[in-house]
Amino acid sequence: SQQGEEDPQALSIQEGENATMNCSYKTSINNLQWYRQNSGRGLVHLILIRSNEREKHSGRLRVTLDTSKKSSSLLITASRAADTASYFCATDALLAVGGADGLTFGKGTHLIIQP
Amino acid sequence: DTGVSQDPRHKITKRGQNVTFRCDPISEHNRLYWYRQTLGQGPEFLTYFQNEAQLEKSRLLSDRFSAERPKGSFSTLEIQRTEQGDSAMYLCASSPEGASYEQYFGPGTRLTVT
Repeated sequence: SQQGEEDPQALSIQEGENATMNCSYKTSINNLQWYRQNSGRGLVHLILIRSNEREKHSGRLRVTLDTSKKSSSLLITASRAADTASYFCATDALLAVGGADGLTFGKGTHLIIQP
Repeated sequence: DTGVSQDPRHKITKRGQNVTFRCDPISEHNRLYWYRQTLGQGPEFLTYFQNEAQLEKSRLLSDRFSAERPKGSFSTLEIQRTEQGDSAMYLCASSPEGASYEQYFGPGTRLTVT
């Protein structure tokens, strides 16, 4: 089952503009991660934010996390054609008995950057 | 070590046949994960190993699916008596031991069942 829901499902913007994608999830988490998947390529990790963090930056990426609303956002600033890809949020469930589990992904946001 | 590798990259098989996929994780990573991804969806978690121990397998889609990691290094995912609904991309990922680490994904094996 898919826990995360990304919004919007598709987004098309002009090169140079900022792109914002949102993610909602259902259960308590250890952390939330964002991944990118280009056509024909595997998933690439972008950024990880822990449940006790509220905001994190990495280059042109800014991620926020609101655990009270069970939501996260990914902002890509100054978009480039190479940013065209599908973006997924993934959560790592907080288990009652330590340890880790597989990631639960949403359906993704398909981002198109128009040159 | 340049990353997670998977073999084969593509597999076409006839319904009813068995298939086996291989994953070689990043060498220093204890944890190995298998996911399935169908068109338009995010990856769906199937199972994971810590070293050679399979710690979660309840998400395997049916008893036709099985996975092994006999020496704690590479892993295999087998699907017996394949069905057309098994057609998907099968992804492998690895990570260091610990509760909060990013996972490194391989390129995947695309399975087509005819």
